[in-house]
Amino acid sequence: KAGVTQTPRYLIKTRGQQVTLSCSPISGHRSVSWYQQTPGQGLQFLFEYFSETQRNKGNFPGRFSGRQFSNSRSEMNVSTLELGDSALYLCASSFPGDDTQYFGPGTRLTVL
Amino acid sequence: GDSVTQMEGPVTLSEEAFLTINCTYTATGYPSLFWYVQYPGEGLQLLLKATKADDKGSNKGFEATYRKETTSFHLEKGSVQVSDSAVYFCALIPNAGGTSYGKLTFGQGTILTVHP
Repeated sequence: KAGVTQTPRYLIKTRGQQVTLSCSPISGHRSVSWYQQTPGQGLQFLFEYFSETQRNKGNFPGRFSGRQFSNSRSEMNVSTLELGDSALYLCASSFPGDDTQYFGPGTRLTVL
Repeated sequence: GDSVTQMEGPVTLSEEAFLTINCTYTATGYPSLFWYVQYPGEGLQLLLKATKADDKGSNKGFEATYRKETTSFHLEKGSVQVSDSAVYFCALIPNAGGTSYGKLTFGQGTILTVHP
Protein backbone atom coordinates (compact mmCIF):
# COMPACT_ATOMS: atom_id res chain seq x y z
CA LYS A 1 0.00 0.00 0.00
CA ALA A 2 1.42 3.39 -0.93
CA GLY A 3 2.33 5.71 1.90
CA VAL A 4 1.40 9.33 2.44
CA THR A 5 2.67 11.51 -0.38
CA GLN A 6 3.32 15.24 -0.32
CA THR A 7 4.01 17.59 -3.17
CA PRO A 8 6.12 19.47 -3.84
CA ARG A 9 9.04 18.29 -1.73
CA TYR A 10 10.81 21.64 -1.87
CA LEU A 11 9.60 25.19 -2.39
CA ILE A 12 11.30 28.54 -2.42
CA LYS A 13 9.11 31.63 -2.17
CA THR A 14 9.57 35.30 -1.35
CA ARG A 15 7.89 37.30 1.37
CA GLY A 16 4.35 38.33 0.59
CA GLN A 17 3.68 35.46 -1.81
CA GLN A 18 1.28 32.64 -1.15
CA VAL A 19 1.83 28.90 -1.37
CA THR A 20 -0.26 25.75 -1.64
CA LEU A 21 0.97 22.38 -0.42
CA SER A 22 -0.68 19.07 -1.25
CA CYS A 23 -1.06 15.83 0.68
CA SER A 24 -2.43 12.49 -0.49
CA PRO A 25 -3.25 10.13 2.37
CA ILE A 26 -2.91 6.38 2.49
CA SER A 27 -5.76 4.67 0.68
CA GLY A 28 -8.74 4.28 3.02
CA HIS A 29 -7.53 6.91 5.46
CA ARG A 30 -9.97 9.76 5.91
CA SER A 31 -8.32 11.96 8.52
CA VAL A 32 -5.48 14.27 7.53
CA SER A 33 -3.51 16.37 10.01
CA TRP A 34 -0.93 19.03 9.22
CA TYR A 35 2.12 20.01 11.27
CA GLN A 36 4.83 22.64 11.07
CA GLN A 37 8.34 21.64 12.12
CA THR A 38 10.98 24.25 12.91
CA PRO A 39 14.24 24.04 14.88
CA GLY A 40 13.00 26.60 17.40
CA GLN A 41 9.41 25.52 17.97
CA GLY A 42 9.60 21.83 17.17
CA LEU A 43 6.51 20.08 15.83
CA GLN A 44 3.34 22.13 16.05
CA PHE A 45 -0.17 21.10 15.03
CA LEU A 46 -1.84 23.21 12.36
CA PHE A 47 -5.21 21.56 11.70
CA GLU A 48 -7.04 18.32 11.08
CA TYR A 49 -9.61 17.40 8.47
CA PHE A 50 -12.02 14.50 8.31
CA SER A 51 -14.60 13.96 5.58
CA GLU A 52 -13.96 17.42 4.16
CA THR A 53 -14.57 19.11 7.53
CA GLN A 54 -12.03 20.83 9.71
CA ARG A 55 -12.46 19.28 13.14
CA ASN A 56 -9.55 20.84 14.95
CA LYS A 57 -7.24 23.79 14.58
CA GLY A 58 -3.97 24.76 16.23
CA ASN A 59 -2.74 28.15 17.28
CA PHE A 60 -1.73 29.66 13.96
CA PRO A 61 -2.82 32.91 12.32
CA GLY A 62 -5.57 32.97 9.74
CA ARG A 63 -2.95 33.13 6.96
CA PHE A 64 -2.75 29.38 7.37
CA SER A 65 -5.72 27.55 5.92
CA GLY A 66 -6.55 24.18 4.54
CA ARG A 67 -9.16 22.05 2.90
CA GLN A 68 -9.93 18.45 2.16
CA PHE A 69 -11.49 16.98 -0.92
CA SER A 70 -13.97 14.15 -1.29
CA ASN A 71 -11.13 11.70 -2.08
CA SER A 72 -9.51 12.69 1.26
CA ARG A 73 -6.64 14.51 -0.41
CA SER A 74 -5.82 17.69 1.44
CA GLU A 75 -4.20 21.01 0.69
CA MET A 76 -2.90 23.71 2.94
CA ASN A 77 -2.40 27.29 1.92
CA VAL A 78 -0.26 29.99 3.45
CA SER A 79 -0.93 33.52 2.29
CA THR A 80 1.28 36.60 2.67
CA LEU A 81 4.35 34.55 3.48
CA GLU A 82 6.72 35.72 6.20
CA LEU A 83 10.33 34.73 6.79
CA GLY A 84 9.23 32.84 9.90
CA ASP A 85 7.06 30.54 7.80
CA SER A 86 10.19 28.76 6.59
CA ALA A 87 9.77 25.23 7.88
CA LEU A 88 9.16 21.59 7.09
CA TYR A 89 5.43 21.04 6.66
CA LEU A 90 4.30 17.52 7.42
CA CYS A 91 0.99 15.89 6.83
CA ALA A 92 -0.21 12.69 8.40
CA SER A 93 -3.18 10.45 7.78
CA SER A 94 -5.08 7.95 9.88
CA PHE A 95 -7.76 5.34 9.40
CA PRO A 96 -11.25 5.93 10.86
CA GLY A 97 -11.35 4.86 14.49
CA ASP A 98 -7.55 4.58 14.75
CA ASP A 99 -5.56 7.41 16.30
CA THR A 100 -2.26 6.24 14.79
CA GLN A 101 -0.95 8.81 12.33
CA TYR A 102 1.31 7.99 9.39
CA PHE A 103 3.44 10.79 8.07
CA GLY A 104 4.50 11.87 4.64
CA PRO A 105 8.04 12.98 3.75
CA GLY A 106 7.18 16.66 4.17
CA THR A 107 7.45 19.80 2.08
CA ARG A 108 10.45 22.01 2.83
CA LEU A 109 9.36 25.65 2.41
CA THR A 110 11.97 28.37 2.32
CA VAL A 111 10.82 31.99 2.39
CA LEU A 112 13.36 34.56 1.20
CA GLY B 1 -2.94 21.45 28.50
CA ASP B 2 -1.28 18.31 27.21
CA SER B 3 2.51 18.19 27.17
CA VAL B 4 5.38 15.79 26.56
CA THR B 5 8.86 16.13 28.04
CA GLN B 6 11.84 14.21 26.68
CA MET B 7 15.25 13.86 28.22
CA GLU B 8 17.83 16.43 27.28
CA GLY B 9 19.92 15.50 24.29
CA PRO B 10 21.86 14.81 22.24
CA VAL B 11 22.72 11.22 23.15
CA THR B 12 25.93 9.69 21.86
CA LEU B 13 26.56 5.95 22.19
CA SER B 14 28.90 3.30 20.89
CA GLU B 15 27.52 0.47 18.80
CA GLU B 16 25.94 -2.32 20.88
CA ALA B 17 25.39 -0.03 23.88
CA PHE B 18 22.08 0.05 25.77
CA LEU B 19 19.76 2.93 24.96
CA THR B 20 17.22 4.69 27.15
CA ILE B 21 15.43 7.88 26.15
CA ASN B 22 13.16 9.18 28.88
CA CYS B 23 9.70 10.53 28.15
CA THR B 24 7.10 11.82 30.59
CA TYR B 25 3.73 13.32 29.79
CA THR B 26 0.90 15.39 31.17
CA ALA B 27 -2.59 14.72 29.85
CA THR B 28 -6.12 14.24 31.04
CA GLY B 29 -7.57 10.78 30.87
CA TYR B 30 -5.83 7.98 29.06
CA PRO B 31 -3.95 9.19 26.00
CA SER B 32 -2.39 6.95 23.38
CA LEU B 33 1.40 7.19 23.41
CA PHE B 34 3.81 6.97 20.49
CA TRP B 35 7.45 7.00 19.57
CA TYR B 36 8.35 8.33 16.13
CA VAL B 37 11.77 8.42 14.47
CA GLN B 38 13.01 10.94 11.93
CA TYR B 39 16.02 10.31 9.70
CA PRO B 40 17.78 13.26 8.04
CA GLY B 41 15.72 14.82 5.27
CA GLU B 42 12.72 12.59 5.90
CA GLY B 43 9.32 12.68 7.57
CA LEU B 44 8.40 10.89 10.78
CA GLN B 45 8.17 7.11 10.91
CA LEU B 46 6.06 5.39 13.52
CA LEU B 47 8.31 3.31 15.72
CA LEU B 48 5.87 1.95 18.28
CA LYS B 49 2.71 2.76 20.18
CA ALA B 50 0.75 1.88 23.31
CA THR B 51 -2.86 2.69 24.01
CA LYS B 52 -3.46 1.76 27.64
CA ALA B 53 -1.70 1.40 30.94
CA ASP B 54 0.92 -1.38 31.15
CA ASP B 55 0.84 -1.94 27.38
CA LYS B 56 4.28 -2.55 25.91
CA GLY B 57 4.93 -1.35 22.40
CA SER B 58 7.81 -2.95 20.51
CA ASN B 59 9.37 -2.80 17.07
CA LYS B 60 12.85 -3.42 15.55
CA GLY B 61 14.31 -4.15 18.99
CA PHE B 62 12.91 -0.97 20.55
CA GLU B 63 10.47 -1.19 23.45
CA ALA B 64 8.46 1.21 25.61
CA THR B 65 5.94 0.52 28.38
CA TYR B 66 2.98 2.77 29.17
CA ARG B 67 3.33 3.60 32.86
CA LYS B 68 0.24 5.39 34.10
CA GLU B 69 1.46 5.69 37.68
CA THR B 70 4.60 7.57 36.66
CA THR B 71 3.11 9.11 33.47
CA SER B 72 6.08 7.82 31.51
CA PHE B 73 6.82 6.05 28.24
CA HIS B 74 10.58 5.55 28.16
CA LEU B 75 12.16 4.16 24.99
CA GLU B 76 14.74 1.36 25.33
CA LYS B 77 16.88 -0.77 23.07
CA GLY B 78 19.30 -3.39 24.26
CA SER B 79 21.95 -3.00 21.56
CA VAL B 80 22.01 0.03 19.25
CA GLN B 81 23.43 0.09 15.74
CA VAL B 82 24.93 2.90 13.69
CA SER B 83 21.78 2.80 11.56
CA ASP B 84 19.71 3.82 14.64
CA SER B 85 21.23 7.30 14.49
CA ALA B 86 18.27 9.64 14.09
CA VAL B 87 15.97 11.99 16.01
CA TYR B 88 13.41 10.32 18.26
CA PHE B 89 10.11 11.94 19.23
CA CYS B 90 7.74 10.93 21.99
CA ALA B 91 4.12 11.95 21.37
CA LEU B 92 0.62 11.60 22.74
CA ILE B 93 -2.93 11.99 21.53
CA PRO B 94 -5.81 12.16 24.00
CA ASN B 95 -8.76 9.83 23.66
CA ALA B 96 -11.26 12.58 24.18
CA GLY B 97 -12.38 13.77 20.76
CA GLY B 98 -13.30 17.43 20.46
CA THR B 99 -10.21 19.64 20.57
CA SER B 100 -8.00 16.56 20.56
CA TYR B 101 -9.09 15.38 17.11
CA GLY B 102 -6.04 14.51 15.06
CA LYS B 103 -3.72 16.50 17.29
CA LEU B 104 -0.50 14.82 18.30
CA THR B 105 1.47 16.64 20.99
CA PHE B 106 5.21 16.03 20.62
CA GLY B 107 8.23 16.22 22.84
CA GLN B 108 11.17 18.32 21.69
CA GLY B 109 13.00 15.35 20.16
CA THR B 110 16.21 13.59 21.15
CA ILE B 111 19.12 13.35 18.73
CA LEU B 112 20.80 9.95 18.91
CA THR B 113 24.22 9.39 17.39
CA VAL B 114 25.73 5.90 17.40
CA HIS B 115 29.44 5.49 16.66
CA PRO B 116 31.00 2.26 15.33
